[in-house]
Amino acid sequence: EAGVTQSPTHLIKTRGQQVTLRCSPISGHTSVYWYQQALGLGLQFLLWYDEGEERNRGNFPPRFSGRQFPNYSSELNVNALELEDSALYLCASSLAGGTYEQYFGPGTRLTVT
Amino acid sequence: GQNIDQPTEMTATEGAIVQINCTYQTSGFNGLFWYQQHAGEAPTFLSYNVLDGLEEKGRFSSFLSRSKGYSYLLLKELQMKDSASYLCAVSHRGSQGNLIFGKGTKLSVKP
Repeated sequence: EAGVTQSPTHLIKTRGQQVTLRCSPISGHTSVYWYQQALGLGLQFLLWYDEGEERNRGNFPPRFSGRQFPNYSSELNVNALELEDSALYLCASSLAGGTYEQYFGPGTRLTVT
Repeated sequence: GQNIDQPTEMTATEGAIVQINCTYQTSGFNGLFWYQQHAGEAPTFLSYNVLDGLEEKGRFSSFLSRSKGYSYLLLKELQMKDSASYLCAVSHRGSQGNLIFGKGTKLSVKP
């Protein structure tokens, strides 16, 4: 069974640009979560999508947004990139409900220069 | 607020046993997870505790005491490949879907 997949693997952007990260969940999982892991910090919760709806978001500014498609894949968009957005962005999926164990993808390493 | 504490680093010897502690303060506790994360890789799920007691899974065991806000991950018969960061994460009812992660404990296994 395929795991969570994310693309791209690495990305280099300039301050002020916009970026879109993509995630495909494990087959049968309807919930998708996004986390940011900056150097030296723990994973910080960004967003949770379930059945196409945004169910919860973490303490991040509105320039972090996303969506979930009918096939349960998801996109994370970050506008007006700042240097401190440089981090590993992890997507996870789980069965519906938000209380099941989350399985993580390999992540997208974003560098903002 | 929510707070999770775990030691930053630990060192142990191959073949030994190591216990990684995690303390948490959260309202509406709804379960505790342990993840393993090798350098440069994604976290992988190890265990889930929602009731008090010990959950054993092969060489790894996880313990929870809800009254004390305390958990530990026990690794037996340590192998070199166990060198990784171990992340403690808490789920709480006040914020569905949001796992609150500690900063992780970096475990180094020496020969």
